[in-house]
Amino acid sequence: KQEVTQIPAALSVPEGENLVLNCSFTDSAIYNLQWFRQDPGKGLTSLLLIQSSQREQTSGRLNASLDKSSGRSTLYIAASQPGDSATYLCAVTGGYNKLIFGAGTRLAVHP
Amino acid sequence: GAVVSQHPSRVICKSGTSVKIECRSLDFQATTMFWYRQFPKQSLMLMATSNEGSKATYEQGVEKDKFLINHASLTLSTLTVTSAHPEDSSFYICSARDPPNTEAFFGQGTRLTVV
Repeated sequence: KQEVTQIPAALSVPEGENLVLNCSFTDSAIYNLQWFRQDPGKGLTSLLLIQSSQREQTSGRLNASLDKSSGRSTLYIAASQPGDSATYLCAVTGGYNKLIFGAGTRLAVHP
Repeated sequence: GAVVSQHPSRVICKSGTSVKIECRSLDFQATTMFWYRQFPKQSLMLMATSNEGSKATYEQGVEKDKFLINHASLTLSTLTVTSAHPEDSSFYICSARDPPNTEAFFGQGTRLTVV
């Protein structure tokens, strides 16, 4: 059974810092890995999608890496801003087209 | 990215009544949609996989008679919470993607409160 773990559970940083959020998964047989952002009481916004054959993806200040063999992914946020405050969720697609989520990292960026 | 619309965003209902939540893919056809439930400060729990034209596949522990799923067309799936009780109060979110195993897009979620 696939299990996804995210570390840390919560993070509070001053504005301008570079951040690394970690995600690990137990079954390396995945199609892809996706990072999402969720604001309180809202749905999910897709940030980055990494296919199993890829090593990393970049979008603006965000960079996500994938090491499928070791079951790990990191989300790097450069020059953090207060508007980046949200919960970041990592999810993997394995068998049966299912998307399995980690518990998330709650990020607070203060001015 | 693709757009998934979920309605309503909030609903309050009395205990014992039924509530229907709609999930629509606006600019693509989705043969498969997914329904998730989220408790406060917890992650998303997959409830069921909704398949167009066939029965939904429920995850272990999810009551199929309480959570009725219908996927009548390639752009619409509905989740009906039957005989709702306060413990059914939660945040429900739908997701769609097509073709399978590609990027998933999510609706805005529905906050259900049963009083």
